Amino acid sequence: QKEVEQDPGPLSVPEGAIVSLNCTYSNSAFQYFMWYRQYSRKGPELLMYTYSSGNKEDGRFTAQVDKSSKYISLFIRDSQPSDSATYLCAMSASGGYQKVTFGTGTKLQVIP
Amino acid sequence: AAGVIQSPRHLIKEKRETATLKCYPIPRHDTVYWYQQGPGQDPQFLISFYEKMQSDKGSIPDRFSAQQFSDYHSELNMSSLELGDSALYFCASSGPMTGELFFGEGSRLTVL
Repeated sequence: QKEVEQDPGPLSVPEGAIVSLNCTYSNSAFQYFMWYRQYSRKGPELLMYTYSSGNKEDGRFTAQVDKSSKYISLFIRDSQPSDSATYLCAMSASGGYQKVTFGTGTKLQVIP
Repeated sequence: AAGVIQSPRHLIKEKRETATLKCYPIPRHDTVYWYQQGPGQDPQFLISFYEKMQSDKGSIPDRFSAQQFSDYHSELNMSSLELGDSALYFCASSGPMTGELFFGEGSRLTVL
C-alpha cells in the first residue's frame, strides 16, 4: 500500500464549477502538506504549502488538512480551462532536507 | 524570479551507456532533491542533498550516483543505462528551514 493515496481521475467539470481534490495518507509523521499542479511534460508547480491541520486560502485555492483523519483536500473555486492539469498532493515529515512523498496525481479537465 | 535550471532538457542514450544530468538550484536554496517520473506516474524520490551532504535517500539504483558541489549545483550520474531508466528526471530545491520544493522543467532521458 502506498503511503499517499490519491484518486487518479480523470475529473471533468464545467467552467466555473468548484473542484474538490483529495488525498489520504497512512504515515502519521507527516506534518507538511503541499499541492502541486503539473501540466503535461512540465515540472510540478507549487500551489499550496501548509503545516499541520487547518485551512489555508490563496485566491481561488483553499487547502484543508485534517491530521486526525489523515485526509487533505484542495478546493478550486470558479474553475477555469487553464486549471486543466494534473494535481499532485505531497507531504513530508520534516520541514526540509528530506524526501517529500507524492500522491499519484488527479487529472483535471475544465470544460469551457 | 530565478528558477531551478536543469540541463540537458532532452537526452538520448543507448543501453549500457552513461548519462549525467545537471541541476542549478534557486539562489540561496541549500537543499537539492532528485526525482524520477515515469509516464503517468507520480514523481519518485531518488536522493537529496543539504549543504553538499546527502540528507536523504530513496529508491535510487546502485547504478546511479549524485553529488552537490560547493556552488550548490548538483549532478546525477547514471551508468549502465537500462530501457527502464527512460523517464523525466526532475530536480527541485528548497530554501533554509522550509520544505517548499520548487521544481525545474525536468530532463527527459530516453534509453534506446
